[in-house]
Amino acid sequence: DGGITQSPKYLFRKEGQNVTLSCEQNLNHDAMYWYRQDPGQGLRLIYYSQIVNDFQKGDIAEGYSVSREKKESFPLTVTSAQKNPTAFYLCASSIDGLAGYEQYFGPGTRLTVT
Amino acid sequence: QKEVEQNSGPLSVPEGAIASLNCTYSDRVSQSFFWYRQYSGKSPELIMSIYSNGDKEDGRFTAQLNKASQYVSLLIRDSQPSDSATYLCAASAYSGAGSYQLTFGKGTKLSVIP
Repeated sequence: DGGITQSPKYLFRKEGQNVTLSCEQNLNHDAMYWYRQDPGQGLRLIYYSQIVNDFQKGDIAEGYSVSREKKESFPLTVTSAQKNPTAFYLCASSIDGLAGYEQYFGPGTRLTVT
Repeated sequence: QKEVEQNSGPLSVPEGAIASLNCTYSDRVSQSFFWYRQYSGKSPELIMSIYSNGDKEDGRFTAQLNKASQYVSLLIRDSQPSDSATYLCAASAYSGAGSYQLTFGKGTKLSVIP
């Protein structure tokens, strides 16, 4: 089955700790994205990557970091510098980022920081 | 600032009726438009894409695009209780550096009453 997997589904952390969210896709898509969703809010773009070893900041990149060492994988690290990290994190992919293609989403990771 | 506006709802329709969901966007150069369905606690699922003016039908769903008015709509015919969800409208536009990004609305919550 082709698709996007995210793990874990739920994650609980204490304030001050860094945490890494996993995103893997086997769709052979070039572009991958990380979004954050807060209650009553639209999706906001954190980072995106069009090709391996390249990524760009989105609208709310502060306090987050990413890497893209393999085409299939785009992990997101939420650092202690992120002021309000509790949110629903969504990873998406598209065939490429160079045209307005559809994006497909993984199941999401719900992060709670206390 | 690119914006996508949706009526937050909730929009309540009786089972079997037509549900009409509306969306406006601010960026005139947006080229691709998408409707996602998001059930409570789940990730968004792509249900319709539309790229040119006019109507596009897929089963019970019809997407309508009017670029002159910067308006996109989604009609759901013969609404079912399983259609109860939040519907997200998204517009894709060129964001520089050879890439396109999606801007999402905050979503319209639809309730189909049996």
